[in-house]
Amino acid sequence: EADIYQTPRYLVIGTGKKITLECSQTMGHDKMYWYQQDPGMELHLIHYSYGVNSTEKGDLSSESTVSRIRTEHFPLTLESARPSHTSQYLCASGGLERYNEQFFGPGTRLTVL
Amino acid sequence: DAKTTQPNSMESNEEEPVHLPCNHSTISGTDYIHWYRQLPSQGPEYVIHGLTSNVNNRMASLAIAEDRKSSTLILHRATLRDAAVYYCILRDHATNSGYALNFGKGTSLLVTP
Repeated sequence: EADIYQTPRYLVIGTGKKITLECSQTMGHDKMYWYQQDPGMELHLIHYSYGVNSTEKGDLSSESTVSRIRTEHFPLTLESARPSHTSQYLCASGGLERYNEQFFGPGTRLTVL
Repeated sequence: DAKTTQPNSMESNEEEPVHLPCNHSTISGTDYIHWYRQLPSQGPEYVIHGLTSNVNNRMASLAIAEDRKSSTLILHRATLRDAAVYYCILRDHATNSGYALNFGKGTSLLVTP
């Protein structure tokens, strides 16, 4: 059973608000990821981290930012939410080796009005 | 990572076997074949992976063609809970990169009673 958590599961918020999506894992994984998925569409990588104090942008450009101050915690922040940010955000973590499976959280469904 | 091609959708009857195909004609020698699935309203979950030999686990079997240009995920007895989008993903175990998963569109499996 994967021990990776995301909060909130659902968020409806007005334009211009600052939001932070939380992601935590208790597996001690160094690698963590954020993917974005629009309904019925593919997942796209937007951020990843190799470990504490390491963050990189993914393949899909995103106005969000991330931080990795603790191994278990990888929050994503939108400074000023817009309707174009409406999507599902999925957090994942995995071990150091490339063949290690990735474990996904349940996702946060964000709606910006 | 090399690309894969999967049918957009497939349909199966409950309790019958399901064979989900994946073509990967440009696979390299160090590419492993990984399968993930995403149940409705959930994050993806790992199913199985292999390199050359067929693989079995509690969830499924993976049959890999001798030339490795195609593979088939086999669900031996489909249940309604197997209805999901199934992703075939190639991961190069030799390169040292972010290790993020390159999700395509996958195959949407419908299981009917």
